[in-house]
Amino acid sequence: TQLLEQSPQFLSIQEGENLTVYCNSSSVFSSLQWYRQEPGEGPVLLVTVVTGGEVKKLKRLTFQFGDARKDSSLHITAAQPGDTGLYLCAGDLFGTSYGKLTFGQGTILTVHP
Amino acid sequence: DSGVTQTPKHLITATGQRVTLRCSPRSGDLSVYWYQQSLDQGLQFLIQYYNGEERAKGNILERFSAQQFPDLHSELNLSSLELGDSALYFCASSVGVLGSYEQYFGPGTRLTVT
Repeated sequence: TQLLEQSPQFLSIQEGENLTVYCNSSSVFSSLQWYRQEPGEGPVLLVTVVTGGEVKKLKRLTFQFGDARKDSSLHITAAQPGDTGLYLCAGDLFGTSYGKLTFGQGTILTVHP
Repeated sequence: DSGVTQTPKHLITATGQRVTLRCSPRSGDLSVYWYQQSLDQGLQFLIQYYNGEERAKGNILERFSAQQFPDLHSELNLSSLELGDSALYFCASSVGVLGSYEQYFGPGTRLTVT
């Protein structure tokens, strides 16, 4: 059983569509990060959310941290082919060693032109 | 470019052999983390070092060991290699232990065990 459950696992959409990726857990996290990874490369940090209920926007990407700090979502508006990649959520469990990140299994996003 | 460097980029070796993966953290970062990424297991935390000392351990096999040197670079040693050790190995770094939840990943080392 994954500590962080991401859904959906696969997402195939057309350019211009909106989408939401979810990251859920029954555990509380001190913080949660979202990464994007391209094949053969390392994950690239997109955002960190720390406060329950926090919403952060990064151009067309909106990230939300749940009030109870157990879940998060990533919403992309008007997706573009350049958004294609593996999206990973990762968190450090409340009360554990700082920096020991637990990753979700990832969402593979494909945006077709 | 995250500022984290890893060498080598690719490594092909035989079962039973030993290899060393190297990582240089971003300038100023004191914490180094090692992760393993495989298709079936996803990205798994292996071990963390802070300023030369081991701080946290994850799902790291006894055949694997790591260390962080005074210049803060780190090495991950994998011995008695098995086919199942084939994976991408990533190093990440962050500023420090407290409030260091933002980790920056290197480009990875792809290990193939034949």
